[in-house]
Amino acid sequence: DAGITQSPRHKVTETGTPVTLRCHQTENHRYMYWYRQDPGHGLRLIHYSYGVKDTDKGEVSDGYSVSRSKTEDFLLTLESATSSQTSVYFCAISDVYEQYFGPGTRLTVT
Amino acid sequence: DQQVKQNSPSLSVQEGRISILNCDYTNSMFDYFLWYKKYPAEGPTFLISISSIKDKNEDGRFTVFLNKSAKHLSLHIVPSQPGDSAVYFCAASAPGQGAQKLVFGQGTRLTINP
Repeated sequence: DAGITQSPRHKVTETGTPVTLRCHQTENHRYMYWYRQDPGHGLRLIHYSYGVKDTDKGEVSDGYSVSRSKTEDFLLTLESATSSQTSVYFCAISDVYEQYFGPGTRLTVT
Repeated sequence: DQQVKQNSPSLSVQEGRISILNCDYTNSMFDYFLWYKKYPAEGPTFLISISSIKDKNEDGRFTVFLNKSAKHLSLHIVPSQPGDSAVYFCAASAPGQGAQKLVFGQGTRLTINP
């Protein structure tokens, strides 16, 4: 298994509070991604990174920001959490084609 | 507009028989296709992939078929085993520079019955 960890694994937060999710890899892969999984939608790309300090938006980026200050870490921040951001969040890494996913973070916004 | 669709939310197959999972796409620019398997409370795991220059790729019990003219791909699992019970996602990507932005289908829940 690819060395990918996500923290926290579970989080409950209140509407309007900031939340940061962390993805850490030990594979030294260049590309990192954040997805959210919701019923009926599969996985949807939020943001991705193609190198340290190099990031870009995905399909559902509104309300999210990311940062990558080191190769191994990719942070996803919800500046002001909303109930619509209740979801399961997955981080993924890749070098060429296949992406390898972390175990996920279940976020509940009340 | 869903560019990748899995029209069957669920599929039930008897152990030992063939499981066929289907996926349709609309974007003719997609040139690489992947299948992922997902167990509850775990991240998706890569299963098999196919490039648009091929029409078939096989890996053990798993075979993916690609029909570009119909914009359709399928995953065949034979023989099906109880451990294959999971949600299967197909995904596609278009050529670009660098990062691969996958577009996923909604998933099909496969149940293998003993």
